[in-house]
Amino acid sequence: EVQLVESGGGLVQPGGSLRLSCAASGFTFSSYSMNWVRQAPGKGLEWVSYISSSSSTIYYADSVKGRFTISRDNAKNSLYLQMNSLRAEDTAVYYCARDRRGGSSTSCYGYWGQGTLVTVSS
Amino acid sequence: AIRMTQSPSSFSASTGDRVTITCRASQGISSYLAWYQQKPGKAPKLLIYAASTLQSGVPSRFSGSGSGTDFTLTISCLQSEDFATYYCQQYYSYPLLTFGGGTKVEIK
Repeated sequence: EVQLVESGGGLVQPGGSLRLSCAASGFTFSSYSMNWVRQAPGKGLEWVSYISSSSSTIYYADSVKGRFTISRDNAKNSLYLQMNSLRAEDTAVYYCARDRRGGSSTSCYGYWGQGTLVTVSS
Repeated sequence: AIRMTQSPSSFSASTGDRVTITCRASQGISSYLAWYQQKPGKAPKLLIYAASTLQSGVPSRFSGSGSGTDFTLTISCLQSEDFATYYCQQYYSYPLLTFGGGTKVEIK
């Protein structure tokens, strides 16, 4: 059974930093591209970042570019999101999501974690 | 970026109703369109991909259609567990995916 479990969320002051983790199990993690998607309270879904299976290709939404860094450790079956210079508008539930198809082929998201809440407030 | 527009943003319906949600892309996306269902406090769940292919385990009362810029999600006979928010997502511009704003289906 595919499982994605996020952790690392919490309350942080504006300008602060936080590192999110996503532990994957039930599939060959190193064969799949991964993503972070966020959802502000009461709002819709927003794609945040993408990383290919080998970490060779990385993309960010304009809203987080230069502040967030995505990475992965295939040996540990883990995905990460380092978030720096946090702003109030970054407050959201952050989900990790796995591509439905393996490799880097065009795909939607087949599996999602349960999410971790990040609150940026003084 | 490709913009996805859903309509309506919300509506009320009764159990047993046939409901249709519309999603329009700002440019042609072929059939690279997915639909997700999200219940309060839960992660989104993939219902349909490639515009009309039902994800494994999803009830057959859900169906999708369309290509190019106009797409629909239809629930043929609304069940109590279907009251939720539905999102469309384009993956034509993979990996830069974008979502529609969501359609909340509420109980009448």
